[in-house]
Amino acid sequence: NAGVTQTPKFRVLKTGQSMTLLCAQDMNHEYMYWYRQDPGMGLRLIHYSVGEGTTAKGEVPDGYNVSRLKKQNFLLGLESAAPSQTSVYFCASRPTGVHGYTFGSGTRLTVV
Amino acid sequence: TQLLEQSPQFLSIQEGENLTVYCNSSSVFSSLQWYRQEPGEGPVLLVTVVTGGEVKKLKRLTFQFGDARKDSSLHITAAQTGDTGLYLCAGPTGTASKLTFGTGTRLQVTL
Repeated sequence: NAGVTQTPKFRVLKTGQSMTLLCAQDMNHEYMYWYRQDPGMGLRLIHYSVGEGTTAKGEVPDGYNVSRLKKQNFLLGLESAAPSQTSVYFCASRPTGVHGYTFGSGTRLTVV
Repeated sequence: TQLLEQSPQFLSIQEGENLTVYCNSSSVFSSLQWYRQEPGEGPVLLVTVVTGGEVKKLKRLTFQFGDARKDSSLHITAAQTGDTGLYLCAGPTGTASKLTFGTGTRLQVTL
């Protein structure tokens, strides 16, 4: 099925460990986004990309890095995980123009 | 920063009742979107409203964009248990049409 696929779905990390979250979309969308969702805080934008090879900071970028080497993939990296990064992470994509986002089903990350 | 305030935060109703959820801002938006999110899943787009005063209907759901494009409402007629979920409004801000999301309204519909 066409859409946005996120891997992994669940992960537990120890403080200081690193990991990469993968987002893949097969809709040829130009724009891709990483959000985190926390209780009472809503969805907050971490980083985004307006096309292959481009990335930009969102509202809460500290502690995260991203890469978009291929149009269909958008990777979110945590170099040294902290408990404050415990959250549910969502990737989304959209085509150009006024269109809604297509979201993945999320990655639930716990940092202990 | 353009903020979107949603009310109420929580709503628990019985099947068959009507309800309205509000999304308000002090800023003007070029468009607003509504999403529904079910537990364990990502938000799913319900509708995009673009023109001030616009009304869109999706079966039992009616969406309205305020005349000044600063607010929107979602009205559900005869709610069903399948309407249970988190309802989010969102509007584009800045370049790349980054979406700013409201904090959501959590709706529970019981028999």
